[in-house]
Amino acid sequence: NAGVMQNPRHLVRRRGQEARLRCSPMKGHSHVYWYRQLPEEGLKFMVYLQKENIIDESGMPKERFSAEFPKEGPSILRIQQVVRGDSAAYFCASSLNPDTEAFFGQGTRLTVV
Amino acid sequence: DQQVKQNSPSLSVQEGRISILNCDYTNSMFDYFLWYKKYPAEGPTFLISISSIKDKNEDGRFTVFLNKSAKHLSLHIVPSQPGDSAVYFCAARVGSSNTGKLIFGQGTTLQVKP
Repeated sequence: NAGVMQNPRHLVRRRGQEARLRCSPMKGHSHVYWYRQLPEEGLKFMVYLQKENIIDESGMPKERFSAEFPKEGPSILRIQQVVRGDSAAYFCASSLNPDTEAFFGQGTRLTVV
Repeated sequence: DQQVKQNSPSLSVQEGRISILNCDYTNSMFDYFLWYKKYPAEGPTFLISISSIKDKNEDGRFTVFLNKSAKHLSLHIVPSQPGDSAVYFCAARVGSSNTGKLIFGQGTTLQVKP
């Protein structure tokens, strides 16, 4: 059952380090979304990508955050120079197209110490 | 700017009774609504959805009702089971945006007591 795969499940980084979160979409899905869930809050949209293209990055912080979805390989969410406020659960979702239901991965829990 | 609101952080019901989870929205451009269920340390799982052209959608024990004039939707679970205990998120999408971007509510924690 090849669902949406995220790794690592847990990631601990010291302040100032870089965090790389990976997401492999479901087989056949070319649309990937990243969401962030802060403690006691709902999921907040960050970015929507198709293969090799960023379609909507309206939820991405202006600095330190970047995302890519290369032709080959998983989608990567990259956070440079992490700060304590970046500690959250980061979820990736994929869909067949923008009009169909998105399926979520199990998330990566980032802790910045 | 909370466009999708779930005003009840938690709900407790007895097994076998009905659970009603509520959701309000402010953006009249939303045309598709979804409910997700989430267990701790897992990702959200899609439950049921409804298009704005409908006022009801049913799938087994789950029914979603949409009241467009009130900008309100609700999820009914009947009968409730202990395994339904989880956090439930309401989400909305602007169809014309063609991005698939979802706006989530804050979630309601449902506890079903045996």
